[in-house]
Amino acid sequence: GDQVEQSPSALSLHEGTGSALRCNFTTTMRAVQWFRKNSRGSLINLFYLASGTKENGRLKSAFDSKERYSTLHIRDAQLEDSGTYFCAEGGNMGYKLTFGTGTSLLVDP
Amino acid sequence: EAAVTQSPRNKVTVTGGNVTLSCRQTNSHNYMYWYRQDTGHGLRLIHYSYGAGNLQIGDVPDGYKATRTTQEDFFLLLELASPSQTSLYFCASSDPGQGNSDYTFGSGTRLLVI
Repeated sequence: GDQVEQSPSALSLHEGTGSALRCNFTTTMRAVQWFRKNSRGSLINLFYLASGTKENGRLKSAFDSKERYSTLHIRDAQLEDSGTYFCAEGGNMGYKLTFGTGTSLLVDP
Repeated sequence: EAAVTQSPRNKVTVTGGNVTLSCRQTNSHNYMYWYRQDTGHGLRLIHYSYGAGNLQIGDVPDGYKATRTTQEDFFLLLELASPSQTSLYFCASSDPGQGNSDYTFGSGTRLLVI
């Protein structure tokens, strides 16, 4: 079946710095979504992309369906950005999602 | 106010026990889903439904039943719980055809089978 490879599995950032998360897909995807699981355990919907890039505050995501990858860039990281980030393929029609294995992000002072 | 509410938040049961996880959504979405999340696996789809009375099998359905009694309510049933079903369970809802994603997750139910 479809697989989603997410990297890195864990990431540590100092406050104010930035980095990028990446997901590679084994087949051509119609759309990608990014979620963050916060300290309360809730999954927050960050981005949905069928193509191109989207930006929201200090987060920016890009999706290249032809090259089969998506990235999530975090700049000026804050303590509250800590959590586990998941990418998922699918969802174009609100259908079932296939998730990556997650990136555990820790932002420290 | 949470649009997808799961209960209970935490549950402990013994091997062979009977467990029901509940999910209610107020988004008026047609689709509802049950996922489990385990370290190293991300979230995996157990069952989903596109309306009251409908049930579709997901990717890891073994050992689970589900029932969609109304548009709002979706239940996950473990009739003979096993330690391998210790996990964090998420319910979600969405509405296809919107041209965008309005996937909404609940806060999760942590289940421990001892």
